[in-house]
Amino acid sequence: QVQLVQSGAEVKKPGASVKVSCKASGYTFTSYDINWVRQATGQGLEWMGWMNPNSGNTGYAQKFQGRVTMTRNTSISTAYMDLSSLRSEDTAVYFCARARGESFDYWGQGTLVTVSS
Amino acid sequence: DIQMTQSPSSLSASVGDRVTITCQASQEITNSLNWYLQKPGKAPNLLIYDASNLETGVPSRFRASGSGTDFTFTISSLQPEDIATYYCQQYDNLPYTFGQGTKLEIK
Repeated sequence: QVQLVQSGAEVKKPGASVKVSCKASGYTFTSYDINWVRQATGQGLEWMGWMNPNSGNTGYAQKFQGRVTMTRNTSISTAYMDLSSLRSEDTAVYFCARARGESFDYWGQGTLVTVSS
Repeated sequence: DIQMTQSPSSLSASVGDRVTITCQASQEITNSLNWYLQKPGKAPNLLIYDASNLETGVPSRFRASGSGTDFTFTISSLQPEDIATYYCQQYDNLPYTFGQGTKLEIK
């Protein structure tokens, strides 16, 4: 069965970086884009960007340009989302999601990133 | 960016009721719309794709329709397990954007 398993919760200081991983199983990792979506506590869903695991091509929301980097390691079917220059407003749960076409059909369990001094 | 406006923001209904949520796009998006359900502490679940197609395994009491700028999501007979927050999401233009969510509660 398809699964996306994300890395554990992180606590970071303002200005630091965080790297969240998303390990895929149950399907061919390079056949579907991976997207990242975040959700601040009690808030809605915010799309951050996409990555094609086959080519490594990426596309980021303008809001995160220059601060986010999405990469992958195909040998271990894992996608990564790196967010730098963290601020308190980046405190959120970060989800990876597989894109079937342009629908997110499988999601990771979410990774809580807390930014606090 | 395309703004997605859901209505209502919250809704209280009884088991067995018909429930309707609307989603309006700030510009034409043809049928480039998905609907998700999210339960507390969980990741969202895809219910409907391409505005009206039921995702495999999703109960047939969930329906959706619409195109252009106006979309509707309906639960024909509310069940206790449907308590969740529902989101629409457009994929016509990047960045993908979500509605603010509709929190559904049991009366």
